[in-house]
Amino acid sequence: AQTVTQSQPEMSVQEAETVTLSCTYDTSESDYYLFWYKQPPSRQMILVIRQEAYKQQNATENRFSVNFQKAAKSFSLKISDSQLGDAAMYFCAYRSPIYNQGGKLIFGQGTELSVKP
Amino acid sequence: GAVVSQHPSWVICKSGTSVKIECRSLDFQATTMFWYRQFPKQSLMLMATSNEGSKATYEQGVEKDKFLINHASLTLSTLTVTSAHPEDSSFYICSALDRGRGTDTQYFGPGTRLTVL
Repeated sequence: AQTVTQSQPEMSVQEAETVTLSCTYDTSESDYYLFWYKQPPSRQMILVIRQEAYKQQNATENRFSVNFQKAAKSFSLKISDSQLGDAAMYFCAYRSPIYNQGGKLIFGQGTELSVKP
Repeated sequence: GAVVSQHPSWVICKSGTSVKIECRSLDFQATTMFWYRQFPKQSLMLMATSNEGSKATYEQGVEKDKFLINHASLTLSTLTVTSAHPEDSSFYICSALDRGRGTDTQYFGPGTRLTVL
């Protein structure tokens, strides 16, 4: 079975600085997808970024980028130029191909990010 | 991104009554939807996978007779908590799998806070 681990329950960053959130996973599959979701105090889950395992290039979405290390089974999220609105719980998630397990997401424990003004 | 709505956003009910929560995909069709439960400061726990036109698949430990799921159309799934008790109080979140845009991404509803008195 696949597992996702976020070893940082809480992180803090100064506004305008850069922070990296860690995520490791365990799987025997070669084809899979990885996601970072953000859950602000409103509790609405928001997709931040996704990465297909077959792609070597790291995904980037504006100030958000990932460092995907397939061999190490590591998928960290880097937030550049942190803003107050980035304060939230961040969840790393793993998904098998749709034909295997129908699209279920396996979530990590979450990392609560606070941003200091 | 795609939009998923959930209704109601919060509900308070008496112990022993049943509560229905609706999840709708507003701008895409979803043959697969998911229901999660989330306790404060914790990750999302998958309860069941809802497939349009067929029975839901429940995760281990989830009582299917207590948490009834119906996915009668391509845009609507419902979760009914039957004979609710205080221990069922929680935050329930649904998501819908968007397969139409080629990304097979789960989009989440805003959640429903259930309080059972």
